[in-house]
Amino acid sequence: AQRVTQPEKLLSVFKGAPVELKCNYSYSGSPELFWYVQYSRQRLQLLLRHISRESIKGFTADLNKGETSFHLKKPFAQEEDSAMYYCALRASNTGKLIFGQGTTLQVKP
Amino acid sequence: DGGITQSPKYLFRKEGQNVTLSCEQNLNHDAMYWYRQDPGQGLRLIYYSQIVNDFQKGDIAEGYSVSREKKESFPLTVTSAQKNPTAFYLCASSARAGLITGGYTFGSGTRLTVV
Repeated sequence: AQRVTQPEKLLSVFKGAPVELKCNYSYSGSPELFWYVQYSRQRLQLLLRHISRESIKGFTADLNKGETSFHLKKPFAQEEDSAMYYCALRASNTGKLIFGQGTTLQVKP
Repeated sequence: DGGITQSPKYLFRKEGQNVTLSCEQNLNHDAMYWYRQDPGQGLRLIYYSQIVNDFQKGDIAEGYSVSREKKESFPLTVTSAQKNPTAFYLCASSARAGLITGGYTFGSGTRLTVV
C-alpha cells in the first residue's frame, strides 16, 4: 500500500534550536518525495523535492530508502518557520500525490 | 499572472443541497486534483484528472462528482450524499502526470460549511 506517515502532529522548539520533522513512507516502486509548507493564511506550496537535492530556506531532506524515510531538517529554527508541513509521495504511474497527516511546527522566541 | 483560482472562498450549504466548487488554472497544466483537508487527517484525494474528458476517483470519492470538459477547469460538486461535507477543499494542478518535474500548484481553497 502507498502511505505517508508523519508521526508528530505538533513539534515545538525554541528559536535557534535544530529541527527534524519526521516522514516515513510505504511504496513499492521508485518514490518521488516532496515537502510542502503552509504558512498562516497562505497557500500550500512546495518547499523542496528529493530529486533536486536542494536546500530551501535552510531546510534539507535526504531520502533514505533503507529506512523508507524523508525527514526534513534545519540546523537553526527561525520564528518564521512556524507553519504546517506536509510530506508527500508521488506515485510515478499515476502522478497523484499522497500526503501525510501534517506536522505543525511552532518556533518559540 | 499564472496560477489557480478557486471560488468561492467561503460557501454555506443547507443539508440536502448540492453545491459546486470552482477551480480554474491558466498554467497549461494537464493534470488537476481535488483534495479535502481536515485537521489531523492531512490532505485526502477526492478526484483527479490527467487529461481533458477523463478523471479517476481518489480515496474518498463517495458523495462527490467532477467534470473535466476543458483543460483549464475542474469543478467539484459536493452532493447531498456526502455525509460530512463541512471541510476545507483544495484544488491543485501539475504538469503532465508521469513526468518527474515539479510538484503541484495549489489554489487558495474553499471552506464549505453545512448549516
